[in-house]
Amino acid sequence: DAGVTQSPTHLIKTRGQQVTLRCSPKSGHDTVSWYQQALGQGPQFIFQYYEEEERQRGNFPDRFSGHQFPNYSSELNVNALLLGDSALYLCASSLGDRGYGYTFGSGTRLTVV
Amino acid sequence: AQSVSQHNHHVILSEAASLELGCNYSYGGTVNLFWYVQYPGQHLQLLLKYFSGDPLVKGIKGFEAEFIKSKFSFNLRKPSVQWSDTAEYFCAVVTGTASKLTFGTGTRLQVTL
Repeated sequence: DAGVTQSPTHLIKTRGQQVTLRCSPKSGHDTVSWYQQALGQGPQFIFQYYEEEERQRGNFPDRFSGHQFPNYSSELNVNALLLGDSALYLCASSLGDRGYGYTFGSGTRLTVV
Repeated sequence: AQSVSQHNHHVILSEAASLELGCNYSYGGTVNLFWYVQYPGQHLQLLLKYFSGDPLVKGIKGFEAEFIKSKFSFNLRKPSVQWSDTAEYFCAVVTGTASKLTFGTGTRLQVTL
């Protein structure tokens, strides 16, 4: 059990559509970070949410947006999907925004056709 | 921007062989270093981490890594691998005051019986 819960586990979308991925952090954690892992690559940082605000952002376009709720859970939204958005999306939670104790979820596999 | 290089993309070893996976990072300031493992179909798990102090770090499952600041390296080692070590291994770094993880592209380790 990873302690971090992501849903759904798999998703197929069509180009141009919008998608929402969800993450529940490990109990006791208050910070959520999102990563994109393309096939054969290492995870790439998308953004981090702490105290319901986006604290850091990686090199991803504005089509990628997120939200953190008062219970620390988080959503990742991707608009105007491209084929290149097909990847495993990982959520990682931690306590505080220093990121020293990340726990990763099993990810959501997004396929854009 | 910081980067992490893992030069071994795919390593095949027989059981009981010794393992060393290379990891180099590019950043001149303070770094925190991590090795993560991703078993097939499972979430990323932390093997070991270095923040400060003894540059030889011991982790779970008999893994260890050595931080050599002058070489910007953090190589992962295990004296005797087991079939169950078959997985993808990622080196990652947190730099300066940031909390995001920057990952390498990963090394796929295949251990044969």
